[in-house]
Amino acid sequence: LAKTTQPISMDSYEGQEVNITCSHNNIATNDYITWYQQFPSQGPRFIIQGYKTKVTNEVASLFIPADRKSSTLSLPRVSLSDTAVYYCLVLYNFNKFYFGSGTKLNVKP
Amino acid sequence: DSGVTQTPKHLITATGQRVTLRCSPRSGDLSVYWYQQSLDQGLQFLIQYYNGEERAKGNILERFSAQQFPDLHSELNLSSLELGDSALYFCASSVGQGVTEAFFGQGTRLTVV
Repeated sequence: LAKTTQPISMDSYEGQEVNITCSHNNIATNDYITWYQQFPSQGPRFIIQGYKTKVTNEVASLFIPADRKSSTLSLPRVSLSDTAVYYCLVLYNFNKFYFGSGTKLNVKP
Repeated sequence: DSGVTQTPKHLITATGQRVTLRCSPRSGDLSVYWYQQSLDQGLQFLIQYYNGEERAKGNILERFSAQQFPDLHSELNLSSLELGDSALYFCASSVGQGVTEAFFGQGTRLTVV
């Protein structure tokens, strides 16, 4: 049974870089990792996805080490509006979806 | 606005009843996913349809069923409802069938009393 774990919560200050890690087991080389952001009373919103070592877009970076037992979402220079819950989603074999338990990020001024 | 529409937004019903949740995907998206979000279980994948056919199945109870129609909208049917079925039910859609860049609707909050 796939198990995906994340820290329950994290605190940060405006302007800092935040790294949120998701631990997962048995991930193959072509299994995708996706990160979502969720605000209260809203559906999750896509941030970034990938299956290779490093992926970067205009809002975040995704790092997957060689052993593929974890992945890290990196948010550069967070602001107050980044306060939200962040979920990793592991897609195994293109047909098994497992969400992590979510990390509540609190950005302070 | 993600472009995914879910109705109704809220639903209150009694135990033992049956309800239907509806989802209209973004224009052009062929995949529809259903998820359940509850306080104790977090976000759980239920089922995925692609262009009318079931593609992946997660932790969906036998009391629950879903389908995707030719116009690509989808319905999630929940029957013999129990108190524990109270949750937020999200629908998401994406262009492809294995791609996980999905766009979520606002959800339907189901309360079983």
